[in-house]
Amino acid sequence: DAGITQSPRHKVTETGTPVTLRCHQTENHRYMYWYRQDPGHGLRLIHYSYGVKDTDKGEVSDGYSVSRSKTEDFLLTLESATSSQTSVYFCAISLGVLAGGQETQYFGPGTRLLVL
Amino acid sequence: AQSVTQLGSHVSVSEGALVLLRCNYSSSVPPYLFWYVQYPNQGLQLLLKYTSAATLVKGINGFEAEFKKSETSFHLTKPSAHMSDAAEYFCAVSEDTDKLIFGTGTRLQVFP
Repeated sequence: DAGITQSPRHKVTETGTPVTLRCHQTENHRYMYWYRQDPGHGLRLIHYSYGVKDTDKGEVSDGYSVSRSKTEDFLLTLESATSSQTSVYFCAISLGVLAGGQETQYFGPGTRLLVL
Repeated sequence: AQSVTQLGSHVSVSEGALVLLRCNYSSSVPPYLFWYVQYPNQGLQLLLKYTSAATLVKGINGFEAEFKKSETSFHLTKPSAHMSDAAEYFCAVSEDTDKLIFGTGTRLQVFP
C-alpha cells in the first residue's frame, strides 16, 4: 500500500468554524490531490498540487483552500465550514504525467467530515 | 471536455455469475482509462488501467476491461463473481493531463 495517511479520520464540527485536514505521504510523489466523495457524484477534485507551493483549483474549489509547504504534506482548509461540505474527503498522490501517459493515483483512507 | 458515464448505479449478480460493469467515456484525444474499486470505509484501489498499449487489459482479482474506441467504451468484466467482489467500482478518464475525471460509481452486490 502507498504510504498515505490522512488526519483526522473522523471529525464533527459546527457551521462557521474553520477546519483543516491533513494528508501525509512517505512516497516522495510530486503530485497530491484532494477529492470529495458524495453519493451520486463519485469523486470530485477540489484542489491539487504539482510541487511545493504549487497548487491549482479543481472542479469544486469554492470554500476550500490548500497549502503545501513540504513535499510530504498537503493541507486542505475549510475557512468557514458549511453543511454542504459534509462529505468524505480523500487525498491521492501520483508521480504525475510521464511521457506518454497518466501516472496512477494512489488514495488515502479518507476523512469523514460532518458539519452540523 | 472529458466525461465518464457509468450505466447502472447498482448491479446485482449471483456468486459464480458473470460481472459486467459499463463505462463510456467522452474524450477529444486518445484517453487513458482506469478502473478503481472501493471497499466499505476504505480508499480507492487501482484495478487496472489502459494506456494505449493492448486494448484488453487484465487487472487484479480476475478483472479485465476492453478498450473499444468505436464504442467509446471501457467495460469491466469478471467471468465468475465472488462474494468478496462486493464493492463500489469507479471508472475514470484522463487526457494525458495530471487530473482524473471520475464516473459516479457502480455498487456491485453479490448474492450467494
